[in-house]
Amino acid sequence: AQKITQTQPGMFVQEKEAVTLDCTYDTSDQSYGLFWYKQPSSGEMIFLIYQGSYDEQNATEGRYSLNFQKARKSANLVISASQLGDSAMYFCAMMNTGFQKLVFGTGTRLLVSP
Amino acid sequence: GAVVSQHPSRVICKSGTSVKIECRSLDFQATTMFWYRQFPKQSLMLMATSNEGSKATYEQGVEKDKFLINHASLTLSTLTVTSAHPEDSSFYICSATPGQVMDYGYTFGSGTRLTVV
Repeated sequence: AQKITQTQPGMFVQEKEAVTLDCTYDTSDQSYGLFWYKQPSSGEMIFLIYQGSYDEQNATEGRYSLNFQKARKSANLVISASQLGDSAMYFCAMMNTGFQKLVFGTGTRLLVSP
Repeated sequence: GAVVSQHPSRVICKSGTSVKIECRSLDFQATTMFWYRQFPKQSLMLMATSNEGSKATYEQGVEKDKFLINHASLTLSTLTVTSAHPEDSSFYICSATPGQVMDYGYTFGSGTRLTVV
């Protein structure tokens, strides 16, 4: 069975600083994908970044990068130069390639202060 | 970009009545859509996978007679909460992908906040 663990219920960061949100996963499959989503207070889920299990390089999308350590089964999200608008819930999720459905972690609430 | 429209965004209904929630892919066809439920301050839990033209696949513990899913076209899936009760109050959200998941991720609707009184 797949499992996603996010151990940080809440994180605080000052504007313009970088922050790392932790995510570890457990799966016996060789082929899988890891996602990060942002959920503002409005409730929508915003796709941030994707990392495939066979990707050798860490994924990057603008200010978002994913620190993928396959042996440790971790997929931490790094947000550089935090902005006030980054305040939201962040969810790590995993998909086994054959099944398509996502399994979500419990989320981390990020608060960015001026 | 890919857009998934979900309607209504909020609904309040009386206990015992049924509520229908629509999920539409606006600019792409989706043979598969997913329905999630989210309790306050909790994560998203997959309820069911909706397949166009066939029966939905429900996750363990989800009552298929309570949560009826219909995926009648490539752009529309509906979730009907039948005989709703206060414990069904929750945030329901659907998702789909327009193509390769690794390129697009899953696009989510804006969600429906259901309150049963």
